[in-house]
Amino acid sequence: ILNVEQSPQSLHVQEGDSTNFTCSFPSSNFYALHWYRWETAKSPEALFVMTLNGDEKKKGRISATLNTKEGYSYLYIKGSQPEDSATYLCASGNSGGYQKVTFGTGTKLQVIP
Amino acid sequence: EAQVTQNPRYLITVTGKKLTVTCSQNMNHEYMSWYRQDPGLGLRQIYYSMNVEVTDKGDVPEGYKVSRKEKRNFPLILESPSPNQTSLYFCASSRGWVNTEAFFGQGTRLTVV
Repeated sequence: ILNVEQSPQSLHVQEGDSTNFTCSFPSSNFYALHWYRWETAKSPEALFVMTLNGDEKKKGRISATLNTKEGYSYLYIKGSQPEDSATYLCASGNSGGYQKVTFGTGTKLQVIP
Repeated sequence: EAQVTQNPRYLITVTGKKLTVTCSQNMNHEYMSWYRQDPGLGLRQIYYSMNVEVTDKGDVPEGYKVSRKEKRNFPLILESPSPNQTSLYFCASSRGWVNTEAFFGQGTRLTVV
């Protein structure tokens, strides 16, 4: 089983602050890196899927970067809003034997109004 | 509307009583999988299917069975549930394997007493 680690486990930020989290993953046999947003009592929803080293993706106030050589990805949220409160999951897709996606344990974000 | 539908959403059952959790997707996706979510652990893959009649074990397959007789359906079967299978279960589907986003069902919270 591949190790995908996310940090921090949880954080609280004030409304309007910008924040970022880290996802680290094994760089061997790398195929793709996924970010999902998971609100309480709902199902995870995809934010980004990135495959290329140096890739940067943006959706509104949320953006992500990818470094496949060193095995990490950052997720940034600019000007956090209470509706950004959720758990953010990253998942690494690797191709070793068979292609599979391994999830991290998530970063739980609470935005305080 | 594109969606993955799981049923039931909540289930309390007794040890040893066979149960099936259904999963259906309307996006004509080839790849489907089942995950379980436990506190402090990331989503862990139970089984996956690459297409009709093609299924394989994920990371935690013990005590579970699946079938893929039609492209849209991927039921999860617990032949003899035990308390350690108490968990939150998600079904997911995607167009491809690791490099495309997954769409998740609403989740099934299972309690085995």
